[in-house]
This record gives sequence, C-alpha cells and structure tokens, in this order.
Amino acid sequence: EVQLEQSGAQVKKPGESLKISCEGSGYRFPSYWIGWVRQMPGKGLELMGIIYPGDSDIRYSPSFQGQVTISVDKSINTAYLQWSSLKASDTATYYCARLDSCFSCWYFDLWGRGTPVTVSS
Amino acid sequence: SYELTQPPSVSVSPGQTARITCSADTLPNQYVYWYQQKPGQAPLLVMFKDTRRPSGIPERFSGSSSGTTVTLTISGVQAEDEADYYCQSADNSGSYILFGGGTKLTVL
Repeated sequence: EVQLEQSGAQVKKPGESLKISCEGSGYRFPSYWIGWVRQMPGKGLELMGIIYPGDSDIRYSPSFQGQVTISVDKSINTAYLQWSSLKASDTATYYCARLDSCFSCWYFDLWGRGTPVTVSS
Repeated sequence: SYELTQPPSVSVSPGQTARITCSADTLPNQYVYWYQQKPGQAPLLVMFKDTRRPSGIPERFSGSSSGTTVTLTISGVQAEDEADYYCQSADNSGSYILFGGGTKLTVL
C-alpha cells in the first residue's frame, strides 16, 4: 500500500526543540518530492517547504525560511521537520504530502494523516 | 509572487450544484488543483490539471477553466460533500507552490 506514515501527536513547552517524521512506503521514495504543510487551528493550508529525497534539494517557502529545518534520510525513506526553539504560535497540525510533478504541474497526490503539535507553557 | 483567491463560503441545498472559484492573474499559464478536507482529516486531491478527476472521485465533481478563474463544480451535491475546499497552483519549476485560502462548502 502506498502511504505516508507520520509520527504521533506532540505536546511541548515554548523554547523546546522538536523533530517530527514522515515515512513513505509502497513507492520509490527517492523519486518524489515531499512537502510539509502547516494548518493552524481553524485556518487554511500553508506550504512550509519541499525536499527531494534523491539529492536532498530543499526549497523553503519565504515565510518559513530560517524558522524550521527540513531534512531527509533516504536510507529509511523518511523525511523530517524540526524546530530548535518552539513558540506557542507553532501550535498546528503538520502534514507531509508527496508531490507528483511533471513539466508545468506540481500537486500533492498522497498525504499523511498529520501530526498535531501543541506548544503551551 | 501571486495569490489564489477563493470565496470564504458557499452554501447549497442537497441535489443542487455548487461552484467554487479560484482566481489569480497568473492562472492562464498554470494548472490548478483542488483538495477536499473534511474535519479531522487530511486533504484529499479531487481535481488535477484544472479538469482531470483522480480515480475514485465521484463523477459529480468536475473542473473548468476560463481566463484567470478556475472553477470546481459539484453537481447534485450530497451531504457528504460538506467540507473545506482548497485550490493550489505552482509555477512551472515548482519554486512557487501556493494554496488558496479555502472555501467552506455548507450543505443546507
């Protein structure tokens, strides 16, 4: 079965660090971009950045550059999203999603179930 | 950069036709994709390349494009179609991938 398995819900305090994961299975993981999408409570979808597991090429959306780190370990088919110092405003559900791409087309055809992150003192 | 503009909400009665629009000046040169998100669930792709329906998506979902506006049409709306719908587009190189603000479809 083709799927993206995300790590579980997290409750953290402001200032703490966090790394969440997204493991792909059932397809050739290195050959597809993976994106991380934030959804704050009651709000819309925001793309944070994308990574190509084959060569670790990373593209951050301007709003998230310097705020998070996206990485990948293709040997275990897993992408990561990490924070060095969380803020209360990082409270959200974070989705990983596979990007299908061709010339002039980029879209998310497979989604993980999401990782809820709560940051509260 | 650019923005994708969607109406915040659309309401229809069961059996009627719902039309959700997505607008941007750049759309004549880019494809648009649509996602359905029900409460507590991950988004689901329901339309790609403006008018193409993924396997498993009901035929009542269709897409159209005209100039700077792309439309997701749901014919014969059912209660189960109540959800948030997001459009998404990108430039040719994937350097700019953007979601619209989302439209809440309410089935009265």
